[in-house]
Amino acid sequence: NAGVTQTPKFQVLKTGQSMTLQCAQDMNHEYMSWYRQDPGMGLRLIHYSVGAGITDQGEVPNGYNVSRSTTEDFPLRLLSAAPSQTSVYFCASSYSSIRLYNEQFFGPGTRLTVL
Amino acid sequence: KQEVTQIPAALSVPEGENLVLNCSFTDSAIYNLQWFRQDPGKGLTSLLLIQSSQREQTSGRLNASLDKSSGRSTLYIAASQPGDSATYLCAVPYGGATNKLIFGTGTLLAVQP
Repeated sequence: NAGVTQTPKFQVLKTGQSMTLQCAQDMNHEYMSWYRQDPGMGLRLIHYSVGAGITDQGEVPNGYNVSRSTTEDFPLRLLSAAPSQTSVYFCASSYSSIRLYNEQFFGPGTRLTVL
Repeated sequence: KQEVTQIPAALSVPEGENLVLNCSFTDSAIYNLQWFRQDPGKGLTSLLLIQSSQREQTSGRLNASLDKSSGRSTLYIAASQPGDSATYLCAVPYGGATNKLIFGTGTLLAVQP
């Protein structure tokens, strides 16, 4: 298993540009989520999905869109990038949102800089 | 609102020392608590997950304990090695879910050879 994979590893954008961060998992996990990690603030949940076709907002959803058309993929879209979105983005997955033993697995991250 | 705190923010120890990392949370109504390791510039690696009904979990030289009533968890690392140098994060679910996580800001551990 490749686990959770993310592309690209690094990205530089100009303010106002759009882009999609890709996330895929091959563990047949129902639950997938996106976090951003900023110095001094820890990881914060952006959006999550409990299964194909179902998404919801996390703690810091503004400026981001998601969709989940397949179990494997959960892309994160920045519609109009802003310098405040400069961060490291992590995708995570776990088996189910209702299992109590719900160990989460993280991807390697995408480092995004918005100029 | 659930808050997670990790103290100390940074810790430096000589190789071979046993050490304890601390994690505290404000709302004791949690399903589980997970400890992660993050190497510089890398993603998070899951170390241990403790269910709310458990008091501790062990994996190799790592032992994590959970005391829900006091809102505390500790990660004990035995016989530390330079390869243990990393940031250690704890996280708990929030909002009645088991996998929407709130993270602490981590403890940066340096094990000196």
